Amino acid sequence: AQTVTQSQPEMSVQEAETVTLSCTYDTSENNYYLFWYKQPPSRQMILVIRQEAYKQQNATENRFSVNFQKAAKSFSLKISDSQLGDTAMYFCAFMKPNTGNQFYFGTGTSLTVIP
Amino acid sequence: KAGVTQTPRYLIKTRGQQVTLSCSPISGHRSVSWYQQTPGQGLQFLFEYFSETQRNKGNFPGRFSGRQFSNSRSEMNVSTLELGDSALYLCASSLEQGGSYEQYFGPGTRLTVT
Repeated sequence: AQTVTQSQPEMSVQEAETVTLSCTYDTSENNYYLFWYKQPPSRQMILVIRQEAYKQQNATENRFSVNFQKAAKSFSLKISDSQLGDTAMYFCAFMKPNTGNQFYFGTGTSLTVIP
Repeated sequence: KAGVTQTPRYLIKTRGQQVTLSCSPISGHRSVSWYQQTPGQGLQFLFEYFSETQRNKGNFPGRFSGRQFSNSRSEMNVSTLELGDSALYLCASSLEQGGSYEQYFGPGTRLTVT
C-alpha cells in the first residue's frame, strides 16, 4: 500500500508571509497523481492543487504552488501572501490511476494564519 | 453544476442501531468514494464504487457496507453501531475521464453514536 506522510501536525504563519507544508510519500509506481486538499474549520474539503507525476513542471494555482521532487518522493505546498482564509487543515493525497480511484491521504497539517 | 451532496448532515443514533447515509455525486461523475474522518485517525478510506461495482475496499469491519445505484448515487450502511463509529463521514466523487482524477468532496454527515 502507498503511504503519505505529513510530518508537521501544526503550523502557523503571519498574514502576508509565505509558508511551506511538507509531504512525502512512498511508492514504487512511476505514474501517479498528487493532490493538496484544504479543509477549513467546519467546512467542506476542497481541492487546492494537483500534480501529475509525469510532468516535471511544478503546478501553480495563484498563491499556491508545489515543489515536486519525484526522486525524493517529496511534494511540498507553498502558500504565498498568506491570508486569514487560508487557515485550515491541509491534506496531501496520492492516487495511482487504473487501479480504481483509491486515494491515500496524509494525516494533515493544521495551518493557522495569524493577523 | 451542483456539487456533491450528502444527507443527512447530522445524525444521532444509539449503540446497536443501524444507519444509512446517502451521497449524490456531481452530475456525470461515476466514481464515488467514502471516508471516515476522526480527529485521531484522519481520513480513513471505506470503499469506492464505479458504475455500481465496488472496486476498492478499506480495512473496515463487515458492519460497514455500501452500494451504488444506476444514477451513481451511493449509500453506505453501518449496522450494529458502536461508540467508536462516531465520526464525520465524507463522500467524494470523481469524473475519472480524460485524466481528471481529482475527487470532489461533499460536506459530510456528522454521525454521533450515544
